[in-house]
Amino acid sequence: DIQMTQSPSSLSAYVGDRVTITCQASQDISHYLNWYQQKPGKAPKLLIYDASNLETGVPSRFSGGGSGTHFTFTISSLQPEDIATYFCQQYVDLPLTFGGGTKVAI
Amino acid sequence: QVQVVQSGAEVKRPGASVKVSCKASGYTFTDYYIHWVRQAPGQGLEWMGWLNPKFGGTNSAQKFQGRVSMTRDTSVNTAYMELRSLRYDDTAVYYCVRADRINSWFDPWGQGTLVTVSS
Repeated sequence: DIQMTQSPSSLSAYVGDRVTITCQASQDISHYLNWYQQKPGKAPKLLIYDASNLETGVPSRFSGGGSGTHFTFTISSLQPEDIATYFCQQYVDLPLTFGGGTKVAI
Repeated sequence: QVQVVQSGAEVKRPGASVKVSCKASGYTFTDYYIHWVRQAPGQGLEWMGWLNPKFGGTNSAQKFQGRVSMTRDTSVNTAYMELRSLRYDDTAVYYCVRADRINSWFDPWGQGTLVTVSS
């Protein structure tokens, strides 16, 4: 199975800060990586697919990058509504696997 | 709009079975895969398996093989996930999600179904 390691597991930042989360794959997954946002008590929501493509309707302050084994997810200017846990997910191979999540607080 | 709506919360005894439904709307049910993902309380996301609604084919993660069944009824655009021989550590929120192929991203997600295993 491909292991996905996210860091940090949690972070706290100020409104307006730039926030970056990393996701490391245990083997080369090319660009087959997605990012989801999960607000408390809610289902996850797709934000970024194929490592860097912004899902329709998602604010442009969210972005993703990377390829191979190292990926980043950035919020360019943290907003109060961005309080959530963020997960990466690889889809190059079964079983599909997720990172452990990064909890973002203000 | 495109959505998948799941059945309500369940409480089951250890050893019992649970069947969760997932009704699709806003798109052609047989054109997309349905995957199942679960999340134990306070934990991360765990992929369980996929269902091809058009042909009924399925595949599940190794840890669930022999214990999970994924089926569908195309007449009512609904997918089902049955998990048998429930254990305490099966307590989780179970999500159905739409995907355009087996290896893909998930969008949208159902609202989740809490399954509690308790004696």
